[in-house]
Amino acid sequence: SAVISQKPSRDICQRGTSLTIQCQVDSQVTMMFWYRQQPGQSLTLIATANQGSEATYESGFVIDKFPISRPNLTFSTLTVSNMSPEDSSIYLCSVGGEMGGQETQYFGPGTRLLVL
Amino acid sequence: GENVEQHPSTLSVQEGDSAVIKCTYSDSASNYFPWYKQELGKGPQLIIDIRSNVGEKKDQRIAVTLNKTAKHFSLHITETQPEDSAVYFCAATLSGGYQKVTFGTGTKLQVIP
Repeated sequence: SAVISQKPSRDICQRGTSLTIQCQVDSQVTMMFWYRQQPGQSLTLIATANQGSEATYESGFVIDKFPISRPNLTFSTLTVSNMSPEDSSIYLCSVGGEMGGQETQYFGPGTRLLVL
Repeated sequence: GENVEQHPSTLSVQEGDSAVIKCTYSDSASNYFPWYKQELGKGPQLIIDIRSNVGEKKDQRIAVTLNKTAKHFSLHITETQPEDSAVYFCAATLSGGYQKVTFGTGTKLQVIP
């Protein structure tokens, strides 16, 4: 399986500010995704991070609020812009494709964000 | 789009007993069904998965079953241990690694020593 790291692991931010979350994988992967997990809830896909092109956003998520970059096959960033308390969540990076001989997806440890 | 329902939302079992979590999905095109375990403060960990061409898969104390006709799948944990306590998510997707994964609502499993 791929080893995924995220930075920061947690943060407390003031409303109106922005935070950039980094996701690093130890090997080249085809797909990278960003999910949000609100407190006590399930996971919801924000967007698919496309290498060298604009991310593909799910309904209800927009680029101005969640800009995403993916400069290569091992790294991606998610920015949470102009934060409000409603953005307090766990943000998770996942990687997908054929790994270890099978198609699957693995998740990073998450970034726990609290907005005051 | 795909919709995944999961039951129960909470489950308490005595150590050594079995636990069963059930899920249904709506999109008959879904063909890959992973199960994730999420411990407190951690990201979801893939524990077992099943593809639509298989009806059952087992890995030590964990097994999954899939009924494509009824569009439901289940996770079975036997001989539960306290370290099995966590939130378990079922999921469904059109493609194992290349498409979005739609998650169920989660089951909080508590194994009582």
